[in-house]
Amino acid sequence: GENVEQHPSTLSVQEGDSAVIKCTYSDSASNYFPWYKQELGKGPQLIIDIRSNVGEKKDQRIAVTLNKTAKHFSLHITETQPEDSAVYFCAASSNQAGTALIFGKGTTLSVSS
Amino acid sequence: EPEVTQTPSHQVTQMGQEVILRCVPISNHLYFYWYRQILGQKVEFLVSFYNNEISEKSEIFDDQFSVERPDGSNFTLKIRSTKLEDSAMYFCASSSTTNTEAFFGQGTRLTVV
Repeated sequence: GENVEQHPSTLSVQEGDSAVIKCTYSDSASNYFPWYKQELGKGPQLIIDIRSNVGEKKDQRIAVTLNKTAKHFSLHITETQPEDSAVYFCAASSNQAGTALIFGKGTTLSVSS
Repeated sequence: EPEVTQTPSHQVTQMGQEVILRCVPISNHLYFYWYRQILGQKVEFLVSFYNNEISEKSEIFDDQFSVERPDGSNFTLKIRSTKLEDSAMYFCASSSTTNTEAFFGQGTRLTVV
């Protein structure tokens, strides 16, 4: 089955800096890669996703890149703000009905002002 | 904005008791999921449900677990004979079609004592 590895487990940056979180996956059949942000005591919230037919996607300060050959994808947050502090999870899924999202172990991002 | 709602927010139960966790998925969604997150760990897939039947389940989803859509709006997870290790946050999620964004509820914190 699919296995998703995520690094780093913790990341501390200064406000205004960029943050990069990286994930690798094992199943070449996976073609959907969402990123979730989880704040304390809340459920995961989708912030951006990418499908295997594109290499990069941007949404304001957030971007995701995908390298299908190397089976890795990354989340880039620019101009970080204290409210970006949270746990970020990457996930992977294949294109089958009702297929599970397989999550990475999460990255705790701390943005200090 | 439509959202997935879960009740209760916190459930305390004695070991060996049965619990039912309830979810109201987003109304026009067709795929429903349960995930769990043990404290400090990653989100783990339990089961997906489509067209009134299980479409995929993980190794975690053994005979003590069952899911049901008792009416047109609710989706439930039943855990029979709870164990201490069942203590976790349980998240319900729904999506409109496969391979599109899954929206998560706020979770039910289950504590087995």
